[in-house]
Amino acid sequence: ILNVEQSPQSLHVQEGDSTNFTCSFPSSNFYALHWYRWETAKSPEALFVMTLNGDEKKKGRISATLNTKEGYSYLYIKGSQPEDSATYLCAFPAYSGAGSYQLTFGKGTKLSVIP
Amino acid sequence: KAGVTQTPRYLIKTRGQQVTLSCSPISGHRSVSWYQQTPGQGLQFLFEYFSETQRNKGNFPGRFSGRQFSNSRSEMNVSTLELGDSALYLCASSLEPGENYEQYFGPGTRLTVT
Repeated sequence: ILNVEQSPQSLHVQEGDSTNFTCSFPSSNFYALHWYRWETAKSPEALFVMTLNGDEKKKGRISATLNTKEGYSYLYIKGSQPEDSATYLCAFPAYSGAGSYQLTFGKGTKLSVIP
Repeated sequence: KAGVTQTPRYLIKTRGQQVTLSCSPISGHRSVSWYQQTPGQGLQFLFEYFSETQRNKGNFPGRFSGRQFSNSRSEMNVSTLELGDSALYLCASSLEPGENYEQYFGPGTRLTVT
């Protein structure tokens, strides 16, 4: 069974604070690491797909780093805003044979930004 | 471009019945995956379809099945419903199958089994 762990489970921050959270995944047989944002009453939305060790991706105030050797990725949000309130999910594609992959999701970090 | 659509959005069924859920991917997307979301388990992979073929199946009983049509639309079926099947079922599409392709999710079908 593949373990994709996210911490913390939930986080409350004040508007304007910067924050970060962690995704841990198996360091062997790495193919890619996905980050998604899931706002209440909406669909999960892709943030990043990261593939290279040392990769850093950025979208506005959100950025992510990747360490495939030690099996973790960090997601950073700079100057949190109430609209950043959401559950942030990471997902690890596990190879399941014949060129196909199965996305295994962590349970997410639920971020609440207090105005 | 229209997003992923799922029908119906809400469904109430009784134990022992069967249910069929439908998913229309983004135009041009050829891979469709299904996930089950329950409060305790998070998002769990059900299956993936590409070119009308199931490429992958998660750890779910045979009561869960699906198919994909030539226009890439997909359906999933759950037979002999159990109370534990109550969940949000999400469909996601991507351009192609593969580890590097981000998934685009639909709004989900909320299934309640009584």
